[in-house]
Amino acid sequence: DAGVIQSPRHEVTEMGQEVTLRCKPISGHNSLFWYRQTMMRGLELLIYFNNNVPIDDSGMPEDRFSAKMPNASFSTLKIQPSEPRDSAVYFCASKPAGTTTTQYFGPGTRLTVL
Amino acid sequence: AQSVSQHNHHVILSEAASLELGCNYSYGGTVNLFWYVQYPGQHLQLLLKYFSGDPLVKGIKGFEAEFIKSKFSFNLRKPSVQWSDTAEYFCAVTGNSGNTPLVFGKGTRLSVIA
Repeated sequence: DAGVIQSPRHEVTEMGQEVTLRCKPISGHNSLFWYRQTMMRGLELLIYFNNNVPIDDSGMPEDRFSAKMPNASFSTLKIQPSEPRDSAVYFCASKPAGTTTTQYFGPGTRLTVL
Repeated sequence: AQSVSQHNHHVILSEAASLELGCNYSYGGTVNLFWYVQYPGQHLQLLLKYFSGDPLVKGIKGFEAEFIKSKFSFNLRKPSVQWSDTAEYFCAVTGNSGNTPLVFGKGTRLSVIA
């Protein structure tokens, strides 16, 4: 089992540029979650999908952020345009169906916006 | 609103000392409870979880946690810490009604010194 795969692992970009983060959930998992981790705010849920459908995107900071899940094995989180305050570690997690199952986290993408 | 409170921001212990990290939650209904650990530079890994049954749950690496429903608490314990336990520890809660996301506490940083 390869676990949750995220790419890139590190991204450095300049303010105003578009950034796309990618996530491949564990095969067979039907829920996918995007989190952001910063020193100031800790771990925040941005958005999550069940069966490829966005369920709750209330954590998405603003319109500059968007997420898609075109199929069960792939999701993207896009920031356009990026700003220095978006610098953080972005984690993707996936979970099998059921009420007593566990989320598994990917290694994260460390984003630095200059 | 659902929330998780971790009382200690940073705990410093000597090797072989006993550990207890506090976690209280606010969540309507039946809950599932988790402790995740994040070693320096790594992603979150599940330490232990509680869904139902025996309120004292044992996890990996000698950790355990006790669910006390009347106190809305799920404190993490280890009788004797090691230097390799240096990490950040996150308590999380989710509802027991489907693929709902985790609500995380702010985390407790544990530093174990020789």
